[in-house]
Amino acid sequence: QTVVTQEPSFSVSPGGTVTLTCGLSSGSVSTSYYPSWYQQTPGQAPRTLMYNTDTRSSGVPDRFSGSILGNKAALTITGAQADDESDYYCVLYMGSGISVFGGGTKLTVL
Amino acid sequence: QLQLQESGPGLVKPSETLSLTCTVSGASISSSSYYWGWIRQPPGKGLEWIGSIYYDGSSYYNPSLKSRVSISIDTSKNQFSLKLSSVTAADTAVYYCARHSEHSMFDYWGQGSLVTVSS
Repeated sequence: QTVVTQEPSFSVSPGGTVTLTCGLSSGSVSTSYYPSWYQQTPGQAPRTLMYNTDTRSSGVPDRFSGSILGNKAALTITGAQADDESDYYCVLYMGSGISVFGGGTKLTVL
Repeated sequence: QLQLQESGPGLVKPSETLSLTCTVSGASISSSSYYWGWIRQPPGKGLEWIGSIYYDGSSYYNPSLKSRVSISIDTSKNQFSLKLSSVTAADTAVYYCARHSEHSMFDYWGQGSLVTVSS
């Protein structure tokens, strides 16, 4: 079964830039996988940040951006803020109605 | 404003069947533009897609859970439901229902329902 890979953890300084990635255990991620990104804080349901690779969800600030970098999908946060400290998940559409979540990245802002 | 609300028992015995219902308000579940899915999150762990259903009853399941999962839809009640059979402690999780597009953009989520599997 295909595994969607994410960095388990990442750290960024306030005001800094960080890029989280979303890859495949076998193969490359392209726009055909329609990568989407979600932010989750403890005890809360996930919040949609990005979909179709690079489309920001309503209300998401433009310091969040999505792209394909090499063979992975990427979420870049520019000018990180304290309240960006969260878990981030990507989802890939595998076709035939199948969705796969990545294992998530715990982002620390310090 | 679209809202989703999970309901069902918070405690299920091992080997029994977990049953949850998601009630949708603020939009029709019969919309041809969206799918309705279940996602779970074991305590301290990541999110896992369980499966989804379309308004016409077409269903799609995580291959790793497919043998134990059934998702159904009741358009008259604007609800969809999850059944997971032969549960073990590993099925203890917060279960979320959500709406998503054809290409897995999950845009509306329920608040989540904790289900504990224990005797």
